[in-house]
Amino acid sequence: QLQLQESGPGMLKPSETLSLTCTVSGGSISRNGYYWGWIRQPPGKGLEWIGSAYYSGSTYYNPSLKSRITTSVDTSKNQFSLNLNSMTAADTAVYYCARHRWGDGYNDFDYWGQGAQVTVSS
Amino acid sequence: DIQMTQSPSSLSASVGDRVTITCRASQSIRSYLNWYQQKPGKVPKLLIYAASYLQSGVPSRFSGSGSGTDFTLTITRLQPEDFATYYCQQSYFTDRFTFGPGTKVDVK
Repeated sequence: QLQLQESGPGMLKPSETLSLTCTVSGGSISRNGYYWGWIRQPPGKGLEWIGSAYYSGSTYYNPSLKSRITTSVDTSKNQFSLNLNSMTAADTAVYYCARHRWGDGYNDFDYWGQGAQVTVSS
Repeated sequence: DIQMTQSPSSLSASVGDRVTITCRASQSIRSYLNWYQQKPGKVPKLLIYAASYLQSGVPSRFSGSGSGTDFTLTITRLQPEDFATYYCQQSYFTDRFTFGPGTKVDVK
């Protein structure tokens, strides 16, 4: 059974950079046909896709966040990471990592991590 | 920019009811539409992908239909564990995998 687990700081100060890592177990991160994505959910609000990365380096980023995002995939550790710079209070949210399944005629987020609460406060 | 809307934003229903939630895209997304269920404090769960395909392990009382711009999620015979918020998500425009605002299903 595939499992994903986010790790990273729970609290940041404004202007700092968020660094989150998602560790994947029960399956290979370099399996063809699967991107690895990040989605966030501000308190009491809906879901916002942040970005998705493939093990070979291909990426897709939300245009509204693109200038602030860096992602990476470490196949040796079966992990993928998100860096989001210039954090503000508006970035306070639960951050989820997810497997981004991509096939012929479909793509979706079929496995999710438990979520990491990130709070930005001075 | 592709916009996703859902209606209603919330609804009250009873166990055993048939529930229908609508999702509309501002442009055609063919059948690239997914549905997720999220219970309070829990992780979103994929229910339906590619508009009408039931994700493995999801009860058959859930079904999806539609293509182009208009989509529907139907729950036949609502169960106690189905009270949750439901989100649609388009995956046709790969520069922005947009989620709808959600529909909360609560107890009447």
